[in-house]
Amino acid sequence: QSALTQPASVSGSPGQTITISCTGTSSDVASYNLVSWYQQNPGKAPKLIIYEGSKWPSGVSNRFSGSKSGTTASLTISGLQAEDEADYFCCSYAGYSRGVFGTGTKVTVL
Amino acid sequence: QLQLQESGPGLVKPSETLSLTCTVSGGSISSNSHYWGWIRQPPGKGLEWIGNIYYTGSTYYNPSLRSRVTISVDTSKSQFSLRLSSVTAADTAVYYCARHLPYAYSSGWYFDYWGQGTLVTVSS
Repeated sequence: QSALTQPASVSGSPGQTITISCTGTSSDVASYNLVSWYQQNPGKAPKLIIYEGSKWPSGVSNRFSGSKSGTTASLTISGLQAEDEADYFCCSYAGYSRGVFGTGTKVTVL
Repeated sequence: QLQLQESGPGLVKPSETLSLTCTVSGGSISSNSHYWGWIRQPPGKGLEWIGNIYYTGSTYYNPSLRSRVTISVDTSKSQFSLRLSSVTAADTAVYYCARHLPYAYSSGWYFDYWGQGTLVTVSS
C-alpha cells in the first residue's frame, strides 16, 4: 500500500488560487469519494480541513475546497492568505478498513 | 471540547518495544460512532496510519506494521494504547493519537480530533 503522491511544494501570491493534487490508484482514491485533507503548521498536530472529498468541518474556511477526478483528488485554496502557509496532507480510504496518507505538500505564500 | 493527550517514554532502545498511551477527555471513549487511532510522522516526512480501535476492542492495522503492532483500550481509564515491538531507527517519529470516523455506508474514514503528538526516538 503505497503513499498517495502529492507535489512537494506549491506556491502562490496573496489573493491567488492554488491547487494541490493527490494521486492514488483504482484501489483507493478512484474507488471511494472519501479523501480527507489536513493542514499542519510547524511543530503542530494536523488539522482536518476537508472530509469525504468536499465537506468542511465546523469552523473551517470555505476558501478551502476539495474535488476528485479519477485517481486524483485536489485541494484548492482560493484567496490565498499568509496564514495558509503550511504543510498539507491528503488521506484516502483504501478498502478493508485501511487508509493511506499522501506524501505531503508545502505551501508557500510569496 | 474533546482532548487527546499522548504519554510515554521519549527514548526506546533498538529491538525493544515502544509503548504509548492516549488519554481522552471531554468526551466518551465508548462512543458508538467513533474509533480511536494512531498515526506517526518521522522527522521531516509524511504521515503514516498505524491502526484504529473501537471501544469494544475491535482493531484494524496497517498491513505493513501489523506483525509488530498491538492497540488496546481501557474504557475505565478513558485510554487507548499502542505497542510497537522490535523497533529500529526507522520507527523514530512523532506519534499522534486521534479520533477516527470509520467507513460506513460510503462515508467516513477521517481523523477529526488529534493529540499534540509525542516524539519517540529509537536509539541505544
